[in-house]
Amino acid sequence: GAGVSQSPRYKVAKRGQDVALRCDPISGHVSLFWYQQALGQGPEFLTYFQNEAQLDKSGLPSDRFFAERPEGSVSTLKIQRTQQEDSAVYLCASSLGTANTEAFFGQGTRLTVV
Amino acid sequence: AQSVTQLDSQVPVFEEAPVELRCNYSSSVSVYLFWYVQYPNQGLQLLLKYLSGSTLVKGINGFEAEFNKSQTSFHLRKPSVHISDTAEYFCAVSDRGFSGGYNKLIFGAGTRLAVHP
Repeated sequence: GAGVSQSPRYKVAKRGQDVALRCDPISGHVSLFWYQQALGQGPEFLTYFQNEAQLDKSGLPSDRFFAERPEGSVSTLKIQRTQQEDSAVYLCASSLGTANTEAFFGQGTRLTVV
Repeated sequence: AQSVTQLDSQVPVFEEAPVELRCNYSSSVSVYLFWYVQYPNQGLQLLLKYLSGSTLVKGINGFEAEFNKSQTSFHLRKPSVHISDTAEYFCAVSDRGFSGGYNKLIFGAGTRLAVHP
């Protein structure tokens, strides 16, 4: 596709429910990032993939958060046993290379945990 | 640890007036610097970036920013704003010497620019 696509755009989950958020990066992009943006805040880094390898997961807030990119293209961010503090917009970004290449962001998935 | 401070959470301005959005970063290492814009219900779009070279960087939509190493600042400016510039603006940094070789971005909290007719 022409840009980074994320689905669903909106997700309402009951507390304790598991959710899966999908990111389709720009075709051929090596790098993929996930960020979490709480209401009124800037995005915060969650995790980074280079092709299928998850090289950095230092920003994942707890072991309830899990991300994968098994074939080096589509990525899924999974949150288990969601809690209210998980409510945020989850942004995915991809870039063609690694260092010094522009990251293109998707529109995000707004997760609301009730 | 790096941090980014955007000194104004909201900036109201009249159309065709100049605007400056302030950004300061706290880092003991060399950094790359970025400004992104976020329109409602949209993702982030890169406005401009400073990697090296000239400290005055020009970006899209008539925006420019100046890197000031001594003041650890990277303020965004536009000489004449339009209604369509109404959006959220984020300043971000990444560590130039980060061994991972990828741009792990640290964002500020954002500045909401509201352009009024």
